[in-house]
This record gives sequence, structure tokens and C-alpha cells, in this order.
Amino acid sequence: GQNIDQPTEMTATEGAIVQINCTYQTSGFNGLFWYQQHAGEAHTFLSYNVLDGLEEKGRFSSFLSRSKGYSYLLLKELQMKDSASYLCAVMDSNYQLIWGAGTKLIIKP
Amino acid sequence: IAGITQAPTSQILAAGRRMTLRCTQDMRHNAMYWYRQDLGLGLRLIHYSNTAGTTGKGEVPDGYSVSRANTDDFPLTLASAVPSQTSVYFCASSEAEPNEQFFGPGTRLTVL
Repeated sequence: GQNIDQPTEMTATEGAIVQINCTYQTSGFNGLFWYQQHAGEAHTFLSYNVLDGLEEKGRFSSFLSRSKGYSYLLLKELQMKDSASYLCAVMDSNYQLIWGAGTKLIIKP
Repeated sequence: IAGITQAPTSQILAAGRRMTLRCTQDMRHNAMYWYRQDLGLGLRLIHYSNTAGTTGKGEVPDGYSVSRANTDDFPLTLASAVPSQTSVYFCASSEAEPNEQFFGPGTRLTVL
């Protein structure tokens, strides 16, 4: 079957760095997405990786290793507004997104 | 309208009743999707539409139906609601695969 695993919850300190990991097993691979979801709000797109390596976008970076079925989202210079859930999703061979359950990130002052 | 809108924001529904959740996008995206989000689970695809006039079944289609009469609208209907359909429902759209999906704010549905 298809499976996406990510930690349920993480806690970090304002100003610090946090890495959220995602491992996946899917039928086919057409890219990996990271989304952010604040409580009660719509999901917002953060990043897309289809090739191995690191993609940097401001304070957020996303890494992919296809051979290991592994990705991480790196958040630097954490701000209180970064408190949210972060969801990893893989696009399979049918171009459908398979979603992880999300990681709730709690930022403490 | 900017992006994707969903209505209603929330609804409490008696079991056995019929309910239609509305979704409208103004980005002229070809593809649209309906997901449900339940605590501890990832988003699960209910139905999708790659273009106006076509629809397809996702991972959990039973008890739900959709239509895509035009590009902008993609309503989701529960013919006879059951308590297991209590969930938060998200509509999304994208230009084409594998582009990012844009999400609506969600509809919180409670079936009693």
C-alpha cells in the first residue's frame, strides 16, 4: 500500500531551526509537496521537489532523496506565526496526491 | 471572488438528510478535487475532475457524488448523510498535474 509518515507533533523555540521529516512509500513518484495549514484555515503551498537535492525559498527549505523515499522541511529563524501543521504529500503514478497526517509544530517564546 | 470559496462554512445535519457542499474557483483551473480531513489521518481524496464534464473516483468515494457542469463549480453531494461522514471537507483546484493545488477554507460538517 501507499504510506506517508511524518511526526505527529514537534516543539521548537522562537528564533531557532526545526527540521520536519517525511518518509514515503508510493506507487510511482511525480513529486513531493509541502503545505502549511493554520488551524481553521486553508492549506497553503510551500514547496515542490521532484529532483534530489535542496530547494531553498527564504526561511523555508525542502530536501528530497528519491532513493531513500525521504524528504524534510527546514524552517529557519522561527517565528510565532510558524505555529501550524505541516503536511507532506507525494504525487503518485496516477498524478493523485497521497497525504501524510501532518506535523503540528508548536513554537514557544 | 479570489481563489476558491466553499459554502457553507459549517453545518450540522441530521442523519439521512441530503446535503450539497458548494465549491467555486475563479482561477479557470481545469482540475478540481474534494478531500476530507479527519483527525490523525491525511487528507483523503473523495472525487476529482480533470476538466469540465468529467469526474473520477478517489480513495473514499462511497456515499458521495459530484458533478462538473462548468469550469468554476464543483459541488459535492451527500445523498443520505451518515455519522461517519462527519469531517472537514476541503475543495482544491490546480492548473494541471503536477502543479500545486490551491485549497478552499473548508466546510466543517457534523452528522448526528
